[in-house]
Amino acid sequence: DGGITQSPKYLFRKEGQNVTLSCEQNLNHDAMYWYRQDPGQGLRLIYYSQIVNDFQKGDIAEGYSVSREKKESFPLTVTSAQKNPTAFYLCASTRSGLTANTGELFFGEGSRLTVL
Amino acid sequence: AQKVTQAQTEISVVEKEDVTLDCVYETRDTTYYLFWYKQPPSGELVFLIRRNSFDEQNEISGRYSWNFQKSTSSFNFTITASQVVDSAVYFCALSEPVTGANNLFFGTGTRLTVIP
Repeated sequence: DGGITQSPKYLFRKEGQNVTLSCEQNLNHDAMYWYRQDPGQGLRLIYYSQIVNDFQKGDIAEGYSVSREKKESFPLTVTSAQKNPTAFYLCASTRSGLTANTGELFFGEGSRLTVL
Repeated sequence: AQKVTQAQTEISVVEKEDVTLDCVYETRDTTYYLFWYKQPPSGELVFLIRRNSFDEQNEISGRYSWNFQKSTSSFNFTITASQVVDSAVYFCALSEPVTGANNLFFGTGTRLTVIP
């Protein structure tokens, strides 16, 4: 079945450590997105990529980094510079030719990061 | 200012009751899109509907219906004869594809609990 796979589902990190969250899709979508979800808040955009080898900052990119070396993969690194990294992270993608603000987003099941 | 307001944080209904989730948005653009997403306990968001600002026709899909009223900047979502499987967090979202970035503005969500 086609879809978006995020791993790990749960992750614990010590302060000062970088951690990378994986996002893989087999939907042949060009555009991919990373969102952060905090309790009682809506989703906020961290980074997005509309094509391989290109990505753009979203609203809350500080303390995060991404890469897009393959169409299927869009990993997110939460660096030690991110002051409050404990959150639920969601990866999403859209059909080729569409963008998040016009098309339907397909989401993964998320990764919950806890900083100890 | 919030672009999307979901004033109802949590709603509980008994199975088979009808329930309406409110969404009020704010934009100066004449071209915009409105969305509803469902987030079940598994975590991934599931797309339910997209409406553009030029189409005020109400829509019905099975037990779901949406009431779009530009005069009151509202895009409310009604579930008829609710079922336990409808229990989830529901997000309303807005995009401004002309003036805005490649992004969706999400409301803070409404947690719906359907009691058997």
